[in-house]
Amino acid sequence: DIQMTQSPSSVSASVGDRVTITCRASQDIASWLAWYQQKPGKAPNLLIYVASNLHSGVPSRFSGSGSGTDFTLTISSLQPEDFAVYYCQQANSFPYTFGQGTKLEIK
Amino acid sequence: QLQLQESGPGLVKPSETLSLTCSVSGDSVRSSIYYWGWIRQPPGKGLEWIGNIYYSGSAYYNPSLKGRVLISVDTSRNQFSLKLSSVTAADTAMYYCARQSTRCHDAWGQGILVTVSS
Repeated sequence: DIQMTQSPSSVSASVGDRVTITCRASQDIASWLAWYQQKPGKAPNLLIYVASNLHSGVPSRFSGSGSGTDFTLTISSLQPEDFAVYYCQQANSFPYTFGQGTKLEIK
Repeated sequence: QLQLQESGPGLVKPSETLSLTCSVSGDSVRSSIYYWGWIRQPPGKGLEWIGNIYYSGSAYYNPSLKGRVLISVDTSRNQFSLKLSSVTAADTAMYYCARQSTRCHDAWGQGILVTVSS
């Protein structure tokens, strides 16, 4: 299985800050990476697919980049509703695997 | 508007079979564009992909579940289902059904908590 490692595991930031979360794959996954946001008690929501494509309805402050083994999710200016847990997921090969999650907390 | 809704027992006894159904509205499981899948999340932990299925019945499963899983599709009812046999406490989790598009899960059900306990 392809292992997905996110860093950091948690981060504290303030409204208006720029935040970057990193996801590293244990082998080359081309651009087959997605990012999800999950708020407490809710199902995950898709943010980014194929590494850098913004899902419909997702604010433009979210962006994704990377290919191969290293990927990033950037939130350009944090809003109060962005405090949540973020997961990456590889879709290069079965079984699909997720990162362990990054908890974004209010400073 | 697309909606997915999980249903099934919230409590299953150890060694028995967990059975869940996902009802889809606003789209068709017959669509040739999408796969339909299941993901689970133990309490306080991360996400685990269980498997997915195409309308033709072609399915892929996570080997970590050691052959205990079966996903099926019922095009006449616009539903797909999950069966997980020989459950233990380690299978206690929130179970989500989801639509898979362009190798990502672009729509999710609200989830159903399944507890394995005698």
